[in-house]
Amino acid sequence: EAQVTQNPRYLITVTGKKLTVTCSQNMNHEYMSWYRQDPGLGLRQIYYSMNVEVTDKGDVPEGYKVSRKEKRNFPLILESPSPNQTSLYFCASSSPNTDTQYFGPGTRLTVL
Amino acid sequence: SQQGEEDPQALSIQEGENATMNCSYKTSINNLQWYRQNSGRGLVHLILIRSNEREKHSGRLRVTLDTSKKSSSLLITASRAADTASYFCATDPYSNYQLIWGAGTKLIIKP
Repeated sequence: EAQVTQNPRYLITVTGKKLTVTCSQNMNHEYMSWYRQDPGLGLRQIYYSMNVEVTDKGDVPEGYKVSRKEKRNFPLILESPSPNQTSLYFCASSSPNTDTQYFGPGTRLTVL
Repeated sequence: SQQGEEDPQALSIQEGENATMNCSYKTSINNLQWYRQNSGRGLVHLILIRSNEREKHSGRLRVTLDTSKKSSSLLITASRAADTASYFCATDPYSNYQLIWGAGTKLIIKP
């Protein structure tokens, strides 16, 4: 089944404790992206990657890092999480052959 | 960055009625897409309309696009309880890799 998976789905952590949210897709998509969703603000893009080893900042990259060492994986790293990074995070993928983005199920992160 | 705007922010209708949501955007686009999100879950693509198209249908969905007014509407006919969700429009002023999202319309279908 074609899908985007994210782990963990839920995470409660404390300020300053490094964490990684994994994202993996099995559709051989070139393009992957991370979004955060906050009430009333819609989705805001954090980082995106157009292919392996190619990443770029989105609208709200501060406090986040990403890497794209393999085509299928695009982890999101929070080196020193802060409470303002409490949010719902989504990973998405697509390819040049489709204008549709496929979304993961989301990761609900709470930083205390 | 610029964002699309949906209106209304929330819409509550009786099952069987039609639901109309609107989206406005600020810059020229290649495509406009509509997505659905069930509570707290990932977004699911519904329909894409290209800038040279004016109307598109998919099942009970009808999307219109008016590029002169920079606006789009999504009509869901004969609504069902399962249509209860939030609906988002997304535009691609830069590329199809960088979508700009609206804040969404929350649709509630009352049985």
